[in-house]
Amino acid sequence: DARVTQTPRHKVTEMGQEVTMRCQPILGHNTVFWYRQTMMQGLELLAYFRNRAPLDDSGMPKDRFSAEMPDATLATLKIQPSEPRDSAVYFCASGLVGQGENTIYFGEGSWLTVV
Amino acid sequence: GQNIDQPTEMTATEGAIVQINCTYQTSGFNGLFWYQQHAGEAPTFLSYNVLDGLEEKGRFSSFLSRSKGYSYLLLKELQMKDSASYLCAVRGGGDYKLSFGAGTTVTVRA
Repeated sequence: DARVTQTPRHKVTEMGQEVTMRCQPILGHNTVFWYRQTMMQGLELLAYFRNRAPLDDSGMPKDRFSAEMPDATLATLKIQPSEPRDSAVYFCASGLVGQGENTIYFGEGSWLTVV
Repeated sequence: GQNIDQPTEMTATEGAIVQINCTYQTSGFNGLFWYQQHAGEAPTFLSYNVLDGLEEKGRFSSFLSRSKGYSYLLLKELQMKDSASYLCAVRGGGDYKLSFGAGTTVTVRA
């Protein structure tokens, strides 16, 4: 059963520390998204990639956040330095977009707490 | 960007029907999605509409009117397990990104 895999599932870290979240998209999917979800803001798009190329990262704070896709099986989201306001659930999602199927599948999320 | 509006909360009785409305404003519309999200879990795909009309999938149906910028999700024969947040999402602006509404929390009561 194909699914999007995210690590870590849960992370508690101290303010100022670097946090790296990883995502393995579903094999064959050409589009990968990073979303952040909080009670106040709902689901916000941070960045997304198509065929590994970054298409839009306008939703991401550039001074501390970075997103990369070093290969087709791995997407990363890094926060350096982390701040308490970064506490949220970070979801990775992937889809085969623009080729008939349009469904986007979410991973189980990385639950981040910055203290 | 996209402006997506949906009610914050709805309550219904087990076995009843509930309709969740979603209105949106976007340029270059290219599809509307509904997702279900249980507390503490990831969103899961429910339905996709790109043409006007009704799409039926078991107890769930989704309707789209592109000219009105309007969609609804219809949940029939409600079950307790349907208590969840329902997210309306729109793809537009000529690219592939998906923008989400704030979600509608549906509570099903016995």
